[in-house]
Amino acid sequence: QSVLTQPPSVSAAPRQKVTISCSGSSSNIGNNHVYWYQQVPGTAPKLLIYDDNKRPSGIPDRFSGSKSGTSATLGITGLQTGDEADYYCGTWDNSLSTGVFGTGTKVFVL
Amino acid sequence: QVQLQESGPGLMEPSGTLSLSCAVSGGSIFNTYWWTWVRQSPGKGLEWIGEVYHSGNTNYNPSLKSRVTISMDRSKNQFSLKLTSVTAADTAVYYCARGTRTLVATVYYYVLDVWGQGTTVIVSS
Repeated sequence: QSVLTQPPSVSAAPRQKVTISCSGSSSNIGNNHVYWYQQVPGTAPKLLIYDDNKRPSGIPDRFSGSKSGTSATLGITGLQTGDEADYYCGTWDNSLSTGVFGTGTKVFVL
Repeated sequence: QVQLQESGPGLMEPSGTLSLSCAVSGGSIFNTYWWTWVRQSPGKGLEWIGEVYHSGNTNYNPSLKSRVTISMDRSKNQFSLKLTSVTAADTAVYYCARGTRTLVATVYYYVLDVWGQGTTVIVSS
């Protein structure tokens, strides 16, 4: 049972933009920074965004993150077929004293 | 650069104890990181299992706490997961990861930045 809620799927045509929401509470997103992962089926998660909006070296600026209150958003612009994957948000939960993940969102490139 | 590699039994019978190891290369396990286990059941999302700090402090997922132990092996530069009384519901890909968590004022900066490739565990009779 995930603490953070994401839409099951989003889709768009190539070169378009998608956004993925991640909804939490004051014990997690509302007070701590958020990170985002991309997971291609059969592989380990790959870090895309950390500290709400920072990109690790090598991650293109087509990927962006933002946060407002108890929700966070991942944006992907210039959608490519290689972006078809599952995306997860995550953060620390102060009440549980554990890491928590989102439910995951499947991105489809039409 | 740090790399993580999981190892485990692959297949095990119900009611047994699952033991997994994560070998850390390219860095010391005694650096100030939280060494973490995450699992993913078939077709499901990521589930945070627990973590151990270089000091030996641990945190566990409340839903698994009664069955989980995470520890460090200083001599082998690795950390381990033990999960008791396994059932088919524990069938999953198990990942080890390196966590960084810093508290600034009242805000946690937290991220799992390095992951192993994962090891599949199937619980079946």
